Amino acid sequence: GEDVEQSLFLSVREGDSSVINCTYTDSSSTYLYWYKQEPGAGLQLLTYIFSNMDMKQDQRLTVLLNKKDKHLSLRIADTQTGDSAIYFCAEREYQAGTALIFGKGTTLSVSS
Amino acid sequence: GAVVSQHPSWVICKSGTSVKIECRSLDFQATTMFWYRQFPKQSLMLMATSNEGSKATYEQGVEKDKFLINHASLTLSTLTVTSAHPEDSSFYICSARESGNTGELFFGEGSRLTVL
Repeated sequence: GEDVEQSLFLSVREGDSSVINCTYTDSSSTYLYWYKQEPGAGLQLLTYIFSNMDMKQDQRLTVLLNKKDKHLSLRIADTQTGDSAIYFCAEREYQAGTALIFGKGTTLSVSS
Repeated sequence: GAVVSQHPSWVICKSGTSVKIECRSLDFQATTMFWYRQFPKQSLMLMATSNEGSKATYEQGVEKDKFLINHASLTLSTLTVTSAHPEDSSFYICSARESGNTGELFFGEGSRLTVL
């Protein structure tokens, strides 16, 4: 079945760039997402990318997709302490009614 | 942007009672809604897919008699945890996608259930 893998922890200093990586196995994945979850809160959609794109940039966030290697990354520029959270990578197929498959989440810790 | 609202955001109940969680799409119609469960410090696990006007599709290992899902309208799906036990304590999150749109899914804020 589908599987989404992420590294579990990342620790950076404030002002540095953070890069969170994700790999997925489903070659029919059409949409790939990054969500942020702060402690005790729900999910916040950060950005998503279609599988026919290589890169998407949105302010401090840059998403890179290597479809050949099924590798997705999220780069956060100028990381702030408020970026500390769990970041989930998720994928889904094109068909209507398909759910997201989530990775286990990467805990980002930003120190000042 | 589109908003999905869950209610209650947190609930504490006694073992053996039933708890209903509502998921509403506030400014769009959702043919399909999804229910996820998240254990502490773990990922979201899909429980079931809720389709308006028909029976929900449950993932393997999820007891459909335990977790009753009703999707009676295009803006409301409910999850009822029947005869709740402490092991049902979890964070339940719903998501919805606008009818006719195969793009973005919108998530509710989640409902934290604690069963004593």
